[in-house]
Amino acid sequence: GESVGLHLPTLSVQEGDNSIINCAYSNSASDYFIWYKQESGKGPQFIIDIRSNMDKRQGQRVTVLLNKTVKHLSLQIAATQPGDSAVYFCAEKGGGGNKLTFGTGTQLKVEL
Amino acid sequence: DTGVSQDPRHKITKRGQNVTFRCDPISEHNRLYWYRQTLGQGPEFLTYFQNEAQLEKSRLLSDRFSAERPKGSFSTLEIQRTEQGDSAMYLCASILGTGGKKETQYFGPGTRLLVL
Repeated sequence: GESVGLHLPTLSVQEGDNSIINCAYSNSASDYFIWYKQESGKGPQFIIDIRSNMDKRQGQRVTVLLNKTVKHLSLQIAATQPGDSAVYFCAEKGGGGNKLTFGTGTQLKVEL
Repeated sequence: DTGVSQDPRHKITKRGQNVTFRCDPISEHNRLYWYRQTLGQGPEFLTYFQNEAQLEKSRLLSDRFSAERPKGSFSTLEIQRTEQGDSAMYLCASILGTGGKKETQYFGPGTRLLVL
């Protein structure tokens, strides 16, 4: 759902299950997308990226899917572990610009 | 640890005081970005440098804010006459260049500012 102020969308999963975190982006001209993980009190940590000429990219335990038609990005985490608990942000880079625009984060909670 | 460092990690100040933060990017990275993050929100772009040149500033960067990167290496962000609304995490990020993997922005740990 929507988040306002302190109320981040939260996804709770059982350890070992797969997690899917979704993100809607705003700029159809964006050509580069990144997922970041942010733990409490720390800066965002790069997870995986994808360029707009691709629709899927896989990393170690993570997969990013890009649907440009509906401007939707998702992050799939396989076999979710307690260490995956954090806030996850998607970010987009516009076609001619250089700054990243971040979406609303999703709090991932992994239950033992 | 991404290799981007920020100092101080925490700063508490009284309203009206000036504060200055420092960012040391990864050494060979020529672009440096500043972002601000408030609780529960994603980082918001403030400004960025290509070497020593400041190329873009957000409307969020009021005239009380100034950033420099005098030698194209470390950068400073100064806030004058701080207000309670300035309380936030200030993040620095750097990239190697443009194109491909060089565009990945690596973030520092941030400086958390609290204005009383």
